Amino acid sequence: AQSVTQLDSHVSVSEGTPVLLRCNYSSSYSPSLFWYVQHPNKGLQLLLKYTSAATLVKGINGFEAEFKKSETSFHLTKPSAHMSDAAEYFCVVSGRTGYALNFGKGTSLLVTP
Amino acid sequence: GAVVSQHPSWVICKSGTSVKIECRSLDFQATTMFWYRQFPKQSLMLMATSNEGSKATYEQGVEKDKFLINHASLTLSTLTVTSAHPEDSSFYICSAYRLAGDNEQFFGPGTRLTVL
Repeated sequence: AQSVTQLDSHVSVSEGTPVLLRCNYSSSYSPSLFWYVQHPNKGLQLLLKYTSAATLVKGINGFEAEFKKSETSFHLTKPSAHMSDAAEYFCVVSGRTGYALNFGKGTSLLVTP
Repeated sequence: GAVVSQHPSWVICKSGTSVKIECRSLDFQATTMFWYRQFPKQSLMLMATSNEGSKATYEQGVEKDKFLINHASLTLSTLTVTSAHPEDSSFYICSAYRLAGDNEQFFGPGTRLTVL
């Protein structure tokens, strides 16, 4: 079965400092991995996705993630946090069919002035 | 492009009544749509996969007679919560799978259901 574990339920950073949201995955085959962001009262938005191409994936709003097979990790990073980055972030792995998505429990990012 | 809408955005109903939630892909066709449920401060749990013109596929533990799904067209899927009870109160989110190019799922904004 495919699953993801988000290692932190809450992360707090100061504006302008780096962001690191950690995610480990478990999959019996080469997975597709995603990071989604959920702002209050808004739909989920895709930040980036890994689909077995380049291991370093660049996404929107300055986010990027690196697929590390040896560590079974797909951590999300951003060099400098903005206040607008405060939201819930989900690490996601696709099912075998590539359709259904298995969500992690989410990491709530707080950005302080 | 690639916008998915849900209606209503929120609904309050009495216990025992049924509620229908619509999910529409506004600018693309979606042969497959998904319904998720999200409890407060928790993650999204896949409830069912909705395929246009065929029966939905439900995840283990999801009552198909309680959560009726209809995918009658390439742009519309509906979820009907029948005989709703307070424990059905939740945030219901749909997504639509776009085949063209990127094979990406696009999510609706969600529907907040409160059953009194």
